[in-house]
Amino acid sequence: ETGVTQTPRHLVMGMTNKKSLKCEQHLGHNAMYWYKQSAKKPLELMFVYNFKEQTENNSVPSRFSPECPNSSHLFLHLHTLQPEDSALYLCASSQDGTTQETQYFGPGTRLLVL
Amino acid sequence: GESVGLHLPTLSVQEGDNSIINCAYSNSASDYFIWYKQESGKGPQFIIDIRSNMDKRQGQRVTVLLNKTVKHLSLQIAATQPGDSAVYFCAENLAMDSSYKLIFGSGTRLLVRP
Repeated sequence: ETGVTQTPRHLVMGMTNKKSLKCEQHLGHNAMYWYKQSAKKPLELMFVYNFKEQTENNSVPSRFSPECPNSSHLFLHLHTLQPEDSALYLCASSQDGTTQETQYFGPGTRLLVL
Repeated sequence: GESVGLHLPTLSVQEGDNSIINCAYSNSASDYFIWYKQESGKGPQFIIDIRSNMDKRQGQRVTVLLNKTVKHLSLQIAATQPGDSAVYFCAENLAMDSSYKLIFGSGTRLLVRP
């Protein structure tokens, strides 16, 4: 285990639903990340939080809304998603996001939008 | 531009043989690189990293080589085992204004034949 947990592991939702993904890290890190991994694309960075402040929004549609209440927890709120949003959503953390450092990933949430 | 790409999408090797997975990067300013392994149903797992002031770094059964002249990175796995079957990603750590961003390649699937 990497010390980064994600729930739920699998999620099926309709386009009108609202759901949230949760990530928790037990590594004492200060930076947390959301990535999207789809079948035919490289890992895509979505959001970066550093010391609870959002430092990167990689042109993500507003139907994805991140929340970082503290350095250990990260949420991704989902609403009115599209079928093309079906993917594996990965959370990662690193020490402080401002130096060259390794990111540690959680197991991901496999999302299917119907 | 910002791109990291892999030459071979799938690599099949005999158990016990050595494996070599290649990666090309395009940003000459990048000075930190990471290899990740992703098994089915799991998030990417850190394998080994290397900084640009090094040409080679060795871990347990793995070696990373960096050729800055041609912007090429490789991962060598000695005595490949069935448990090495996975998708391998290289990642380039790119400096932004006040933080760093990981740019991932598309991945190479390693299949180990018994």
